[in-house]
Amino acid sequence: GIQVEQSPPDLILQEGANSTLRCNFSDSVNNLQWFHQNPWGQLINLFYIPSGTKQNGRLSATTVATERYSLLYISSSQTTDSGVYFCAVGWMNTGFQKLVFGTGTRLLVSP
Amino acid sequence: EAQVTQNPRYLITVTGKKLTVTCSQNMNHEYMSWYRQDPGLGLRQIYYSMNVEVTDKGDVPEGYKVSRKEKRNFPLILESPSPNQTSLYFCASSLLQDDPNTGELFFGEGSRLTVL
Repeated sequence: GIQVEQSPPDLILQEGANSTLRCNFSDSVNNLQWFHQNPWGQLINLFYIPSGTKQNGRLSATTVATERYSLLYISSSQTTDSGVYFCAVGWMNTGFQKLVFGTGTRLLVSP
Repeated sequence: EAQVTQNPRYLITVTGKKLTVTCSQNMNHEYMSWYRQDPGLGLRQIYYSMNVEVTDKGDVPEGYKVSRKEKRNFPLILESPSPNQTSLYFCASSLLQDDPNTGELFFGEGSRLTVL
């Protein structure tokens, strides 16, 4: 099956710093999403980005499908950005689609 | 408010006692899915459903059952729970996942299950 690797596994930042999280995947996909799991366990969809670039406030994401990676950029980080960031990829499998999640990047933003 | 609702949020049970975790969405989504989250393993898909009466296994379906009799509901059934099913469970839904323009996934708040 498809492999999804995220890096770095852990990241500690001072408030105000910028960061880049990476997601590599081993096969062609037609669906890629980034999620944030906050310290209370809630999973929030950040971006649905199978290709191209999107921005939402201080966050932006770029997926280069032909090279099998996606990047999540966090600028001017805040303590509320802490949590775990997951990417998930999907591909057609016998007519249906399954999402596979990476193991996440744990981010801690300190004041 | 658009949401995915899971119940119960927390449950402690004993080995072998059948339980059901309910999941309901109010967004008229065709696609629904169950995941379990375990430390160091990320989220793994248990079952998914493309529409009413259409379900398929994910990566870790053993010990679980699902049904999709109505579009809005997708319950997860543990017929005979075992301690290795202690986990955090998430239900999710989206418009059709096979349409690349509508696959954004929405999650419920999670159900923490402990099997003694």
